[in-house]
Amino acid sequence: AQTVTQSQPEMSVQEAETVTLSCTYDTSESDYYLFWYKQPPSRQMILVIRQEAYKQQNATENRFSVNFQKAAKSFSLKISDSQLGDAAMYFCAYRNAYTGANSKLTFGKGITLSVRP
Amino acid sequence: DSGVTQTPKHLITATGQRVTLRCSPRSGDLSVYWYQQSLDQGLQFLIQYYNGEERAKGNILERFSAQQFPDLHSELNLSSLELGDSALYFCASSANPRQGRTDTQYFGPGTRLTVL
Repeated sequence: AQTVTQSQPEMSVQEAETVTLSCTYDTSESDYYLFWYKQPPSRQMILVIRQEAYKQQNATENRFSVNFQKAAKSFSLKISDSQLGDAAMYFCAYRNAYTGANSKLTFGKGITLSVRP
Repeated sequence: DSGVTQTPKHLITATGQRVTLRCSPRSGDLSVYWYQQSLDQGLQFLIQYYNGEERAKGNILERFSAQQFPDLHSELNLSSLELGDSALYFCASSANPRQGRTDTQYFGPGTRLTVL
């Protein structure tokens, strides 16, 4: 079974600075997807970024980028120029590449990010 | 706004009761997933439907059941409720064949269930 580990329960960053959130995962599959979701106080789950395992290039979405290390099974999220609105819980999630059954998301426990003004 | 809707937003009920949570997926999405988020268990997958058929089951209790209707909306039924069933229940959808990308799940706002 696949597992996702987010070992840091909390992190803090100064506004306008850069922060990196860590995630590791375990799988025996070679093709899969990885995601970061943001859950602000409203509790809505918002997709931040998506990475396809077969792509070597790291995904980027505006101020958000990932460092995907397939061999190390590591998938960290970098937030640049942090803003107060980035304060939220962030979840790392794994999904196998099979498009049929068992395409569920497996989530890590999440990390709470606070942004200091 | 993800395009996924869930009703109701909040639900307060008593132990032993039965409730139904409703989800409407994004327009064109064929897959619906249900997840439970609780403090002690985190985010856990319950069940998946694809175009009306059950595709996968996760940690779903026998007291819980779900279905997906011909118009693709889905309902999650929770019966004989216990205090421990209090949680945030999310619906997510994906797999719109007209959009090519089928791997990303978009979440609804969730239904907060409180069992007293």
